[in-house]
Amino acid sequence: QAVVTQEPSLTVSPGGTVTLTCGSSTGDVTSGHSPYWFQQRPGQAPKTLIYDTSKKYSWTPGRFSGSLLGGKATLTLSGAQPEDEALYYCQISYSGARRVFGGGTKLTVL
Amino acid sequence: EVQLLESGGALVQPGGSLRLSCAASGFTFSNYAMSWVRQAPGKGLEWVSSISGGGDSTFYADSLGGRFSISRDNSKNTLHLRMTSLRAGDTALYYCTKSGSVSPRDGFHMWGQGTLVTVSS
Repeated sequence: QAVVTQEPSLTVSPGGTVTLTCGSSTGDVTSGHSPYWFQQRPGQAPKTLIYDTSKKYSWTPGRFSGSLLGGKATLTLSGAQPEDEALYYCQISYSGARRVFGGGTKLTVL
Repeated sequence: EVQLLESGGALVQPGGSLRLSCAASGFTFSNYAMSWVRQAPGKGLEWVSSISGGGDSTFYADSLGGRFSISRDNSKNTLHLRMTSLRAGDTALYYCTKSGSVSPRDGFHMWGQGTLVTVSS
């Protein structure tokens, strides 16, 4: 089974910018993998922030953006806020409806 | 407002069975594929199963070994997950999720709060 990799932890200063990455053991992540990004705060259900690489919802703060770079999916946070401290999961779609999540990145705003 | 309310989680012995339900409201249920995603205590997310809007197409994670069955009742706006031969490794919070289309290949756009399944003797 494919393995999706993320940084275990990252730290960003308030107001700063950070990029989280999401790689696949099968090769380059492309738009065909429809990467998703989820935010999970402690004790809460996940919330979907980004779908299909870069698409946002009405509830997605403008400071979050998704893209592809260097064969990976990326989530960039520009202008970090204290409330952005959370776990972030990416998810890649493979053949059929098989979806695999990354192990998550713990983002600290400090 | 979209609402997904899971129920049915419980403490069950190894080898037992359980049926989870998810009551959906705030959208035309039959127009959207639905999925179950689980999260073991202190662990990451794992896709479990997906079903098309009409219920005619289903998909399962390979790791389940055919022990789970997803279904839906569009007349009652309810999603189900029948789990059998439960193991300790199935202990998790099970989330009901809504996709963005009828296709089960679509992703997890909205989430319920989850229902806890604990498999232990």
